[in-house]
Parts: sequence; C-alpha cells; structure tokens
Amino acid sequence: DAGVIQSPRHEVTEMGQEVTLRCKPISGHDYLFWYRQTMMRGLELLIYFNNNVPIDDSGMPEDRFSAKMPNASFSTLKIQPSEPRDSAVYFCASSSLWDGDSGNTIYFGEGSWLTVV
Amino acid sequence: GNSVTQMEGPVTLSEEAFLTINCTYTATGYPSLFWYVQYPGEGLQLLLKATKADDKGSNKGFEATYRKETTSFHLEKGSVQVSDSAVYFCALREGYSTLTFGKGTMLLVSP
Repeated sequence: DAGVIQSPRHEVTEMGQEVTLRCKPISGHDYLFWYRQTMMRGLELLIYFNNNVPIDDSGMPEDRFSAKMPNASFSTLKIQPSEPRDSAVYFCASSSLWDGDSGNTIYFGEGSWLTVV
Repeated sequence: GNSVTQMEGPVTLSEEAFLTINCTYTATGYPSLFWYVQYPGEGLQLLLKATKADDKGSNKGFEATYRKETTSFHLEKGSVQVSDSAVYFCALREGYSTLTFGKGTMLLVSP
C-alpha cells in the first residue's frame, strides 16, 4: 500500500515567488495534517482536515499561507509570497478513524524540503 | 494543555551499547503514546506505539512501556547499531486530534 505521497521533495525558490506543496494521503484516510519542521521550532502543526474540512488552522503562520483539500485524495499548501524564513521541511500526514488497532496512528510523508533564497 | 518532554541530545554511544531515551508527558485525558524516528534527510517513521497503561510497544529491537503512574514512555534498546543513528521523537495523541511532539533526541552511534 502506498504511503503518504508529497511533491516536490525539494524546492529552491526566490523570495516573493509562490510555492505550492502537494500531498496525496493514504487511500481511505479521513484525517490530513500539515506540519512544518525547523531547527529553531521543531515540529509545528500548521493545519488539519477531517473529511476534507479544515478543523484547526490556528498554526498557520499568517495570511501568506493557505491550505486546501478539494477532495479526499489531494491537498495543497501554498505560500504566497514566500520569504526566507519559510525555509523548512513541510510534512503531510494522514490517519483514519476506522483503521482498527492503528486508528489513531498518524503516518507521515517524506516531506517537502523548501529553501527560499 | 498537553506536552511531551524528552531528554536533550545528542546521545553518543558505541555500537552494541544499551540505549535509553527518556520521555515524560502531561495530558488531560488518556493519550496514545508514540515514538517516531527520522533518519537523515528522510521523513518521520512510526517506530512503535502504545495505546493504554502498561502496554509495551516494540519494533526493530526497540521497546517502550506506557507507565501511567510515572507518565513516562522511555525508549530502550539493548544493543544499538550504527544504522540506528537518527533523531527520535516521542509524541502523544488524545483521541483523533493532532500529535503533540517532544523536541527530538539525536542519537549518534559510532563503530
């Protein structure tokens, strides 16, 4: 079974450009999470969805960040305009309410490594 | 609110040494507890989990026991290998909310 799939794996972009990160959760999962990892702040939750509906976006840093989940198999995280302080690893993760014994396990993708210069 | 505290790293060991990484938590309810591992340049992988008091999670020679009385979930391995060098994250989850992570502990194993 394929895991959580993220793209791109690595991106280098110039300050001011729009960045779009993409995520395909594990098939059948109904929770999707976006996290950011930096050396200074560790792992931070940005936003999470349940059944494609945003539940908690209190971690989204500012209006430059937006996330959407148009359907159960796809989500995007956009940064516009990007700034050097947005450089981080962005993880997408998913879980399923109905996954038996693993029901509350959250599975992570490989991450999107973003550098804004 | 919920929180997870784990020992600061890096932890430096020789191959075949015994490993303990301490983790304690604060939670309002009855969380599930997790250890995730992150190898250099990679994402977070679930290492093991425990969902209720006295449960022991185990995987790849690693073990951790959910201790409600001491609110702890210490990670142990009897004999570490160079390939275990990574960052280890302790985390908790209450219900179907998000994970609360510790800051991570880097493990460096030398031959």
